[in-house]
Amino acid sequence: DVKVTQSSRYLVKRTGEKVFLECVQDMDHENMFWYRQDPGLGLRLIYFSYDVKMKEKGDIPEGYSVSREKKERFSLILESASTNQTSMYLCASSFSGQGVGKLFFGSGTQLSVL
Amino acid sequence: KQEVTQIPAALSVPEGENLVLNCSFTDSAIYNLQWFRQDPGKGLTSLLLIQSSQREQTSGRLNASLDKSSGRSTLYIAASQPGDSATYLCAVINYGGSQGNLIFGKGTKLSVKP
Repeated sequence: DVKVTQSSRYLVKRTGEKVFLECVQDMDHENMFWYRQDPGLGLRLIYFSYDVKMKEKGDIPEGYSVSREKKERFSLILESASTNQTSMYLCASSFSGQGVGKLFFGSGTQLSVL
Repeated sequence: KQEVTQIPAALSVPEGENLVLNCSFTDSAIYNLQWFRQDPGKGLTSLLLIQSSQREQTSGRLNASLDKSSGRSTLYIAASQPGDSATYLCAVINYGGSQGNLIFGKGTKLSVKP
């Protein structure tokens, strides 16, 4: 079974802190994604990556950056956390080849910024 | 701009009932459509993926259909069980779009009463 692992289930941070959210997948997927999910707003794409060291902005990249130094790991960085970044963060991955489009999600990180 | 709508936002049914969840999209030029399940506070699990050339996909008690011309997909759940209680989301990828362009509906929250 494909496994997408997010490093933290719950995280509490202070305003202004630099925050790292880590995601690791074990299926050699080319594509990796970071979404945030908020009540009433649904899922919104922050960034995605289709290869090592490659990244593309999603719908709401402001205040975030990403890093993909290895194929299996995709990190989301909040440069200076703010209260409006309190949210559920979801990482996902997928193949680029056959079966393209089927996304596998991690369990999510509920981030609270105080 | 593609928009994905799921109505109703919430649905409550007695155990054993067959039910249909609806998903509509405004632009019929899609590459594929996926149905996901999300349990409270958890990530998403991909249930079924329908390519644009397909009309339906089946997995166990689940059957998803796709009518591109009318911009609709349905997820049929047979003989519902309390364990089916979750939020169900659909998502589409447009032709010409990358997987970063997966567009989600806001979901239907299903409650199956014993």
